[in-house]
Amino acid sequence: AAGVIQSPRHLIKEKRETATLKCYPIPRHDTVYWYQQGPGQDPQFLISFYEKMQSDKGSIPDRFSAQQFSDYHSELNMSSLELGDSALYFCATQQDRRDTEAFFGQGTRLTVV
Amino acid sequence: GDSVTQMEGPVTLSEEAFLTINCTYTATGYPSLFWYVQYPGEGLQLLLKATKADDKGSNKGFEATYRKETTSFHLEKGSVQVSDSAVYFCALVQGGVTGGGNKLTFGTGTQLKVEL
Repeated sequence: AAGVIQSPRHLIKEKRETATLKCYPIPRHDTVYWYQQGPGQDPQFLISFYEKMQSDKGSIPDRFSAQQFSDYHSELNMSSLELGDSALYFCATQQDRRDTEAFFGQGTRLTVV
Repeated sequence: GDSVTQMEGPVTLSEEAFLTINCTYTATGYPSLFWYVQYPGEGLQLLLKATKADDKGSNKGFEATYRKETTSFHLEKGSVQVSDSAVYFCALVQGGVTGGGNKLTFGTGTQLKVEL
């Protein structure tokens, strides 16, 4: 069965550079959530999209932006990277119905040096 | 706001021991409750879930019962295996929300190590 695809799996960037993370949902999933998981931490919600519109926003820095495209894939853009942005970034996708579960991708590990 | 509290780890058990990982929550309304498992270097996998009070979620020998009166969702397994070594996250979602509002609120995670 198709799963949530994230790319790249690993990314190394220098401080002040930019990074773009991509998330490809399971077919017919119209909702995307982005989470950030720091070392030894629980995942923290960043932002979500439903039908290509931002639907909810969490603790996402102003340096980050995201969007969902017409094919429902989503991209998280991160600028002016800081050392503290080093983390595992997950996306989760969901079919928008009550009480359905979200499926997670394997994550992108971003290391800022 | 919503929050989830888990027992701190790491938890170290011998193979075939009984496992309990405590989880309590604070939320308005009627949340759905989940346990996710994360193996080293991997993403989050849904282990089990319960969507209403007194529901029992179960999978791969793990069980958890949604207790509204104690706002708890404790994870149990009767006999753990070395392959169960992972980090376990308790999480909640506000129930019945659509339109992209189903963000998960996670606990801090409990690392389980099972030894021979």
